[in-house]
Amino acid sequence: QKEVEQDPGPLSVPEGAIVSLNCTYSNSAFQYFMWYRQYSRKGPELLMYTYSSGNKEDGRFTAQVDKSSKYISLFIRDSQPSDSATYLCAMMPLGGYNKLIFGAGTRLAVHP
Amino acid sequence: DAEITQSPRHKITETGRQVTLACHQTWNHNNMFWYRQDLGHGLRLIHYSYGVHDTNKGEVSDGYSVSRSNTEDLPLTLESAASSQTSVYFCASSGTTYNEQFFGPGTRLTVL
Repeated sequence: QKEVEQDPGPLSVPEGAIVSLNCTYSNSAFQYFMWYRQYSRKGPELLMYTYSSGNKEDGRFTAQVDKSSKYISLFIRDSQPSDSATYLCAMMPLGGYNKLIFGAGTRLAVHP
Repeated sequence: DAEITQSPRHKITETGRQVTLACHQTWNHNNMFWYRQDLGHGLRLIHYSYGVHDTNKGEVSDGYSVSRSNTEDLPLTLESAASSQTSVYFCASSGTTYNEQFFGPGTRLTVL
């Protein structure tokens, strides 16, 4: 079993929809949770970062962490065609010193 | 502007050949990482370095080596290329923060 599980999709939604992307994990030591966005044939770029539990909002994006359920989510409101990309969750324990464990990535397509 | 570059962007080689992928960053980051990305597996860590002359094995290090002679560069060498090493390779770097890794554009390697 992988440490981090992520549904690869693809997920196809109409423009303006609310998108929910999720990851589950098995290592209770994970404390840092990140979402990276990767456009086709590009390198990943950091989108959201959360430490421990709770919510974090940045514009149309909201990241949630539920450590009791070992479950993290990324919500995208009012999705746009420019949001079409692969979204990778990544995690790290305290003292992990930047050694990230990535999910497989979910491919999202937002159609006009 | 600071950046991280990879070369070549595309490479085709034959099994058994030695191949070196270059990674160069101008962020002056101490931490550098090499990942491979394959469908269904997300990003998997090959090798990483926390500074000059420091190298460490990651999750999938067999058949790969790195050396760090300066802050800016971390070349990845495939000692004897195998078809199983056909993949997209990403280099990343990070500073002292625990969360953000900056990724290069990737090298698409095909081993025939």
